[in-house]
Formats: sequence, C-alpha cells, structure tokens
Amino acid sequence: KQEVTQIPAALSVPEGENLVLNCSFTDSAIYNLQWFRQDPGKGLTSLLLIQSSQREQTSGRLNASLDKSSGRSTLYIAASQPGDSATYLCAVTLYNQGGKLIFGQGTELSVKP
Amino acid sequence: GAVVSQHPSWVICKSGTSVKIECRSLDFQATTMFWYRQFPKQSLMLMATSNEGSKATYEQGVEKDKFLINHASLTLSTLTVTSAHPEDSSFYICSARDSLGIDYEQYFGPGTRLTVT
Repeated sequence: KQEVTQIPAALSVPEGENLVLNCSFTDSAIYNLQWFRQDPGKGLTSLLLIQSSQREQTSGRLNASLDKSSGRSTLYIAASQPGDSATYLCAVTLYNQGGKLIFGQGTELSVKP
Repeated sequence: GAVVSQHPSWVICKSGTSVKIECRSLDFQATTMFWYRQFPKQSLMLMATSNEGSKATYEQGVEKDKFLINHASLTLSTLTVTSAHPEDSSFYICSARDSLGIDYEQYFGPGTRLTVT
C-alpha cells in the first residue's frame, strides 16, 4: 500500500531564506508526483507536476526534484516571502489505478516578515 | 483554463437532513472526477472515484449508501451526504481529470465546508 510522508510537519522561517520541503513515498510505481499549495479554508493550487521519467521541474522560485528509485521528492523555495505561507502537499498518482492521488500529510509553512 | 467549481462553498444543515454538493468542470470535459474529504489540520482522503455514466468506486471504509455520487454528464458530478450527522462535518473537495489530458493531472475545486448541527 502506497504511503506518502512529508517532513517537517511545520516550518517557520524568516523572510528571504531558502528552504526545502521533503516528501517520501513507499512504492516507486508512480505515474507522476505533484506539489500543491493550500491556503487555510481553501482548495488546492497545483504548483508543479513531475512525470515519473523526469528528475525535476521549475516554476519561478520553486524547484521540485524527483528520485523515483529512492522514493523521494523535494520542493525547494528560493528567497521565501510572507506570501508563501501556506500548507504544502505532495501527492503521487498511482500507476494503473485510473489516476488516483495519494496525499502526504502536508508541511505547514510560515514565513515571518 | 482548467477550472473546477463547487457549489455551495459552505453549507450548514441540521442533523438527519441530506445535503448535495456539486462539482463542475467549467472549460473541459471530465470523464473522471474524484471526491475527497479533509478534516482540520489533516490531509485529503480520497472517498470515491466518479466515472461519467457508471457507478462510483468507493474507497475502503466509505459508506456508499451515505455518500451518494452521481456523475450524469461530462462536466458535473454530485455528492449527496444523506442523513447527515455532526461527524460528517468536514471540508469536501472534488477534482476532475481532463478527458483529453494524457498525464493524469487533476484540477481541484475550491472545496465545500459542511457543518452539521
């Protein structure tokens, strides 16, 4: 059974700092991995999607890497801003299961001005 | 593009009543939609997979008679919480997969906050 774990559960950093969020999964048979952002009481915003054949994806200050063989992904946020404060979720799409997503528990990020 | 809406955004109902939540894909067709629930400070838990024109597939532990799902068109899926109880209070989020998409990317709705009193 696929399990997705995110470390740390919560993180507080001063504005301007670079930071890394970690995601690990137990079964490497994934179709892709996605990183999402969720603001309190809101839905999900897709940040980055990495196909299983890819190693990384970049969007602005965000860079996500994927090491499928070791079951790990990282989300790197450069020059953090208070507006980056949110919960970050990673999720894997299970292979051959119609696109089912399994989510990690999330990392709650707080960027202090 | 790729916008998913949910209605209502929040609802308060009395214990024992039923509540219907709609999930619509606004600018694409979605053969498959997914329903999740999320408790405070917790992650999303997949409840069921909704396929247009066929019965939904429920995850283990989810009561299909309590959470009725109907996917009658390529742009609309509904979740009805029947005989709601306070423990059903939660944040319900749907997602939709573009029928023409090739990478299984899902687009998420803004969520519906259900409070049962």
